[in-house]
Amino acid sequence: AQSVTQPDIHITVSEGASLELRCNYSYGATPYLFWYVQSPGQGLQLLLKYFSGDTLVQGIKGFEAEFKRSQSSFNLRKPSVHWSDAAEYFCAVGPNTNAGKSTFGDGTTLTVKP
Amino acid sequence: EAGVAQSPRYKIIEKRQSVAFWCNPISGHATLYWYQQILGQGPKLLIQFQNNGVVDDSQLPKDRFSAERLKGVDSTLKIQPAKLEDSAVYLCASSSRLAWQSGETQYFGPGTRLLVL
Repeated sequence: AQSVTQPDIHITVSEGASLELRCNYSYGATPYLFWYVQSPGQGLQLLLKYFSGDTLVQGIKGFEAEFKRSQSSFNLRKPSVHWSDAAEYFCAVGPNTNAGKSTFGDGTTLTVKP
Repeated sequence: EAGVAQSPRYKIIEKRQSVAFWCNPISGHATLYWYQQILGQGPKLLIQFQNNGVVDDSQLPKDRFSAERLKGVDSTLKIQPAKLEDSAVYLCASSSRLAWQSGETQYFGPGTRLLVL
C-alpha cells in the first residue's frame, strides 16, 4: 500500500534562512508527487508537482523539490524563507495508473522567527 | 476565475444530529473530490466523482455518510447521524480531469470546519 511520511511535525526557522522539509513515500512504481501549502483557515494550494522528466522541480513562491528515486524522497526546499511562508505543508503521492488513490502525509507546520 | 466554493464555513452540532455540506466546483471541472481532514492529519479522500458518477468511494463510511453530485456540477456531502469522531475539516476539490491519473492539478476550497459535541 502506498504511504507518505513527513518526519518533522514542526519546524522553526529564522526569516531569511534556508528551509528543507522532508517527505518520504512508499509506492510500487514511479508515482506522481505533490507539495501543497495550507494557511490557517484556507484550503490547500499546490506548490509544485512531479510526474516525469527533470527530477528537480520548480514551483511557486520560490519553492523547489527534488525527486530522489533511490531514497524514495521528495524534499521541499527554499533558499530564503519569508515570514509569509509560515503555514502547514503537505506532501502527497498519487498513482500513475488507473488503480489506487491519493495519499497525503500528516503535514509539517512551519514557524518563521523574525 | 472563481475558485471552489464551500458552505457553510463552520458548523457546530450535537452528536446524532445530521449535517450537510455544499460544494460548487470551478466551472467546467468534471472531477470533484471530498476529503476529510482531522486535526493533526493530512486530508483523506472520502469520495471522488467524475461528472455525476462515483469513481471511488471506498473510504466513505457509508453507514452514515452520503454524497451526491446532481447534474455533474454542485455536490453535497451529508452525515447522518454524526459522531464525535466526525469533527474535522471537510475539503472539497475539483480538477478538469481525474487528477491522480494525469498529474492534473486539484483546486481546493476553503473547507467546512465541523465540530460535533
